[in-house]
Amino acid sequence: GAGVSQSPRYKVAKRGQDVALRCDPISGHVSLFWYQQALGQGPEFLTYFQNEAQLDKSGLPSDRFFAERPEGSVSTLKIQRTQQEDSAVYLCASSLVGRTTVVPLHFGNGTRLTVT
Amino acid sequence: GQQLNQSPQSMFIQEGEDVSMNCTSSSIFNTWLWYKQDPGEGPVLLIALYKAGELTSNGRLTAQFGITRKDSFLNISASIPSDVGIYFCAGQPLREYGNKLVFGAGTILRVKS
Repeated sequence: GAGVSQSPRYKVAKRGQDVALRCDPISGHVSLFWYQQALGQGPEFLTYFQNEAQLDKSGLPSDRFFAERPEGSVSTLKIQRTQQEDSAVYLCASSLVGRTTVVPLHFGNGTRLTVT
Repeated sequence: GQQLNQSPQSMFIQEGEDVSMNCTSSSIFNTWLWYKQDPGEGPVLLIALYKAGELTSNGRLTAQFGITRKDSFLNISASIPSDVGIYFCAGQPLREYGNKLVFGAGTILRVKS
């Protein structure tokens, strides 16, 4: 497809369950970001990949959060032992490489995670 | 962490009116961006500003990068019903790399037709 694709669109998990969220970036985009958007707030940075390398994971809220991009294209964000405070929309975004300057960042439509 | 203060939180205006919203920070930003988010979708980039003082237009939208590098505004002229949505300012902090962005909390725009 032409845009960033995320699946599933909606995920309901019981507290304590593990979840995996998938992101297919735009073909050829080297940079991939995960952002978390709580209800009524703007997105917040979670982690950044350049190709398969995770260069920055400073935004991950706890060690229950883990992201990977093993072949430099599809990425998975995994949350272990989900808690209610993990409920949010998880946005994936990709771009061409922009090490110092900002280049257009293309967001997917997100996965809305609800932890009950 | 760094925060962007975006105002107003929401606006309810008549179709055809001009709209203005702004974003301020206590820290310097290298780049300012404005995004629009429709329900159930991801944010879409409207305007990017790269230099202090820069004034950029995109159709009915005009945005400026404040001279102090700590603020930006977005104007929408002659609003139409499809302008409804949430507008976010975002910035690249001074010592961060491209696209590691800080977002404001958003301005909800509602238009009366």
